[in-house]
Amino acid sequence: DAGVIQSPRHEVTEMGQEVTLRCKPISGHDYLFWYRQTMMRGLELLIYFNNNVPIDDSGMPEDRFSAKMPNASFSTLKIQPSEPRDSAVYFCASSLSNQPQHFGDGTRLSIL
Amino acid sequence: DAKTTQPNSMESNEEEPVHLPCNHSTISGTDYIHWYRQLPSQGPEYVIHGLTSNVNNRMASLAIAEDRKSSTLILHRATLRDAAVYYCILRKTGNQFYFGTGTSLTVIP
Repeated sequence: DAGVIQSPRHEVTEMGQEVTLRCKPISGHDYLFWYRQTMMRGLELLIYFNNNVPIDDSGMPEDRFSAKMPNASFSTLKIQPSEPRDSAVYFCASSLSNQPQHFGDGTRLSIL
Repeated sequence: DAKTTQPNSMESNEEEPVHLPCNHSTISGTDYIHWYRQLPSQGPEYVIHGLTSNVNNRMASLAIAEDRKSSTLILHRATLRDAAVYYCILRKTGNQFYFGTGTSLTVIP
């Protein structure tokens, strides 16, 4: 039973470049969440989708961040242009209705 | 944001029970209490959740105060693999979670 799959696991890029993080939720789950984790701020909810529709994006830090969910099995989180302060671990999670969330292993992003 | 308060860190000896407390005085009637843990270099992992009654599963037990303003996660026999950061979270409508700072559990061999 495959869990939530995130790619890449690690990304190192230069400031100003576009970064795209990818997530494949567990099949059949209707909720998808993007989180960011830093030492300073802990785990923060950025945005979540229900049935592929963004429900709450109030946690997205600024317009440089965008997220899409074109179908039930794929979501992307894009940062353009990236800045050093975006360095963090980004987690994707999915759940079925109001059941517990299942997290991926995260993408460790470093912006130089 | 739904607020929870947990001690920053706790220690336990291996094979002894551990009681991890959480205060959530602003909880509303429909909020579920969830516990997750995060091992080093991994994503958070579900542990247990409940609404009003105490709950047991293969990983842990959850004791919920009668007024629901606090709860305790109980690990019956701590192992070295239980060393992690434990998060107490209130699940709001729409399945939103807001993670606090959690409790870092150290298990001493």
